[in-house]
Amino acid sequence: EVQLVESGGGLVQPGRSLRLSCAASGFTFDDYAMHWVRQAPGKGLEWVSGVSWNGGSKVYADSVKGRFTVSRDDTKNSVYLQMDGLRAEDMALYYCVRFAYGDVFDIWGQGTMVTVSS
Amino acid sequence: QSVLTQPPSVSAAPGQKVTISCSGNSSNIGNNYVSWYQQLPGTTPKLLIYDNNQRPSGIPDRFSGSKSGISATLGITGLQTGDEADYYCATWDSSLSGVMFGGGTKLTVL
Repeated sequence: EVQLVESGGGLVQPGRSLRLSCAASGFTFDDYAMHWVRQAPGKGLEWVSGVSWNGGSKVYADSVKGRFTVSRDDTKNSVYLQMDGLRAEDMALYYCVRFAYGDVFDIWGQGTMVTVSS
Repeated sequence: QSVLTQPPSVSAAPGQKVTISCSGNSSNIGNNYVSWYQQLPGTTPKLLIYDNNQRPSGIPDRFSGSKSGISATLGITGLQTGDEADYYCATWDSSLSGVMFGGGTKLTVL
């Protein structure tokens, strides 16, 4: 079964850091780019960041550029999102998503919640 | 405010047809594939349409997609109460070098 399982979310104070992890299974991980999409409570979907299949290209939304870093470890079939300098507006459910050919988010994880509050 | 513009809400009666529009520009919809996602209440988004008009396996042919110029449209026929959900369009934006989502459209089946 193709599956993405996120972890690492939680409550963090403004300005602090958090690292999200996403473990993939059921498919050839290093064939795919992987992305992160977030959804603030009661709001729409917002693309956050992505890393290419070989890790050579990384892209970020302007709202997180310079604060978030995406990475992958193909030996562990995992993708990560290092979030530094967290702000109240970063509070959201963070989804790990497989990015397939044709710019498609075809597999979604269940999400991990990040709460930023003092 | 989203780069891709969708109506906040649409509604129709069971059995009827509804369309949801998604408007962008030449940097996004105009030169890239559009996909659509359905998010049922309290659930994870699900891919509904990819490559403008292709349905993944398991998606009924009641759902269709089209693209013309800088706009895309999702069509749903034979509406069912189970179709009540939020629908999002998405595409790559070449000038922003990232993926853009529409603001989402809430479908109500009256």
